[in-house]
Amino acid sequence: DQQVKQNSPSLSVQEGRISILNCDYTNSMFDYFLWYKKYPAEGPTFLISISSIKDKNEDGRFTVFLNKSAKHLSLHIVPSQPGDSAVYFCAARHTNAGGTSYGKLTFGQGTILTVHP
Amino acid sequence: DTGVSQDPRHKITKRGQNVTFRCDPISEHNRLYWYRQTLGQGPEFLTYFQNEAQLEKSRLLSDRFSAERPKGSFSTLEIQRTEQGDSAMYLCASQTSMAGQTQYFGPGTRLLVL
Repeated sequence: DQQVKQNSPSLSVQEGRISILNCDYTNSMFDYFLWYKKYPAEGPTFLISISSIKDKNEDGRFTVFLNKSAKHLSLHIVPSQPGDSAVYFCAARHTNAGGTSYGKLTFGQGTILTVHP
Repeated sequence: DTGVSQDPRHKITKRGQNVTFRCDPISEHNRLYWYRQTLGQGPEFLTYFQNEAQLEKSRLLSDRFSAERPKGSFSTLEIQRTEQGDSAMYLCASQTSMAGQTQYFGPGTRLLVL
């Protein structure tokens, strides 16, 4: 049961252009969504997050959009830089039945982003 | 650097041996998580501690796996009688219990079972 899905295994973008990474989820109990970036042989590095009560969050070159009705979120990187080349993971945080979050994350499979100079 | 640290970074062992990994969280973080990542997949939740209490274990955590956080600071993850299917990256993350806080990951321990 894949509750968080990243359907594009890879994405290739020219430097300076926009990168759009997509993520779909099925569980309505998720209260927070996060994007992590991962280089080989390193742990995931937090990029940006969004609460389920918002539809957009922006931090510098990174913007995350959330469409709750479609259970879809996306990460936009503008402009893309070669140093952005990495694996990007979408993650969703669980709440329990009482609405309290204890932080357990469910991750998508990841999308390999390659930014060409 | 006061980030999450993990030791060792790499471990090669033979099938049937026991291995133990250590995680040191960020000092003020009272929540600690273990995840496992296999090739081509995202990290999968294994278990979670709030201070020294282990509050949830995934069904992925078989009886051969045990995790502890005896003083609410560092944590250990032990795998007994390792199997080739245990080969993976084992990731530790920590977080405060304040609302909206983010999990920060360590560099991981890569385990190879021969």
